[in-house]
Amino acid sequence: QLQLQESGPGLVKPSETLSLTCTVSGDSINGSPYYWGWIRQPPGKGLEWIGSLYYSGNTYYNSSLESRVSISVDTSKNQFSLKLTSVTAADTAVYYCAPAPVTGYYPVWGQGILVTVSS
Amino acid sequence: DVQMTQSPSSLSASVGDRVTITCRTSQTVSSNLNWYQQKPGKAPKLLIYTASNLQTGVPSRFSGSGSATHFTLTISSLQPEDFATYYCQQSYSTPGSTFGPGTKVEIK
Repeated sequence: QLQLQESGPGLVKPSETLSLTCTVSGDSINGSPYYWGWIRQPPGKGLEWIGSLYYSGNTYYNSSLESRVSISVDTSKNQFSLKLTSVTAADTAVYYCAPAPVTGYYPVWGQGILVTVSS
Repeated sequence: DVQMTQSPSSLSASVGDRVTITCRTSQTVSSNLNWYQQKPGKAPKLLIYTASNLQTGVPSRFSGSGSATHFTLTISSLQPEDFATYYCQQSYSTPGSTFGPGTKVEIK
């Protein structure tokens, strides 16, 4: 059974870099044709796709965040990671990791992690 | 980018009511439209994928229909556990995707 768990600091200072990791169990990141994605949700607001890593290693980012975001993979640990630079209060959100098959829907989600940007 | 709208933004309904939520996209997404339910403090849960396919384990009172730019999610008989916020998501531009703004279903 595929499971995901986000981890990382819950508090980041403005202008610094937000770094999160998603640990995957129940499947291999580079073994199945999924887009391993990051999605965020500011408090009380809707969902925003941040970016995805295809199992082959290609990455895709939301154009509105592309200049600040990167997603990488550590296949030895079966983890993929998100980095978002130069954060502001507007980046305060619950961050979720989730895989999507090529049809693009998300059948499984991590529990989410709240990251607050504040000094 | 594909823009999404949902209507209504919120609704009040009673247990047993039939509820319909509409999602519209700014351009055709074919059948690449998915529906999620989210309860407070929880991750979204996939209900319907590719417009009309019921995700495994989801009660049959949930159904989806539509194509191109106009889609609906219907709950045939609202149950107490269905009070939540519902989001549509277009996956036509996979891996990029866009979510609708959400519809909050509240108890009347």
